[in-house]
Amino acid sequence: QKEVEQNSGPLSVPEGAIASLNCTYSDRGSQSFFWYRQYSGKSPELIMSIYSNGDKEDGRFTAQLNKASQYVSLLIRDSQPSDSATYLCAVLNSGYSTLTFGKGTMLLVSP
Amino acid sequence: GAGVSQSPRYKVAKRGQDVALRCDPISGHVSLFWYQQALGQGPEFLTYFQNEAQLDKSGLPSDRFFAERPEGSVSTLKIQRTQQEDSAVYLCASSGSGGPGELFFGEGSRLTVL
Repeated sequence: QKEVEQNSGPLSVPEGAIASLNCTYSDRGSQSFFWYRQYSGKSPELIMSIYSNGDKEDGRFTAQLNKASQYVSLLIRDSQPSDSATYLCAVLNSGYSTLTFGKGTMLLVSP
Repeated sequence: GAGVSQSPRYKVAKRGQDVALRCDPISGHVSLFWYQQALGQGPEFLTYFQNEAQLDKSGLPSDRFFAERPEGSVSTLKIQRTQQEDSAVYLCASSGSGGPGELFFGEGSRLTVL
């Protein structure tokens, strides 16, 4: 059973702070990793993908991957109240064409 | 269309009724996925189509669940003899050139079984 683990939160940060969201996965053969954002009552939307060890930056978002530790993280700099949402970590299963999602971490950014 | 379209958005069924949920993917997207999302949980994979071929149905929870995509575009997820545990949001997603990890989700169909 391929698993993706996330702390359910909520993670509360003040506006302007850095939010750090973490994820671990069980499938050592996985090569592709994704972060989706889901606002309450809405469907998930893709915000970041990462395929290689190290950091990948896109605006205020940085994804980090460590395949040896089977660990993925998402940093959100200068957090805004509009970032308040559930962040879903997703892993593309090795040998398959489907994503396994974690349960998501709820982020609350207070003004 | 501009995005993935799902209908109905909300469905209330009595236990034992059959329901059908429709998904119209983004035009040109070959791959189509169905996920089930229970309250407070992440999406769980149900089934996957490439064009009209159902390549993976390992996530369908029971033989009461059936999905089809006969012409390689619109897909229907059918649930027979609904049970209370089937209550969830059913998400349809399609993917294009970005590959199977870059999914575009519809707004979902929220099923409530009484």
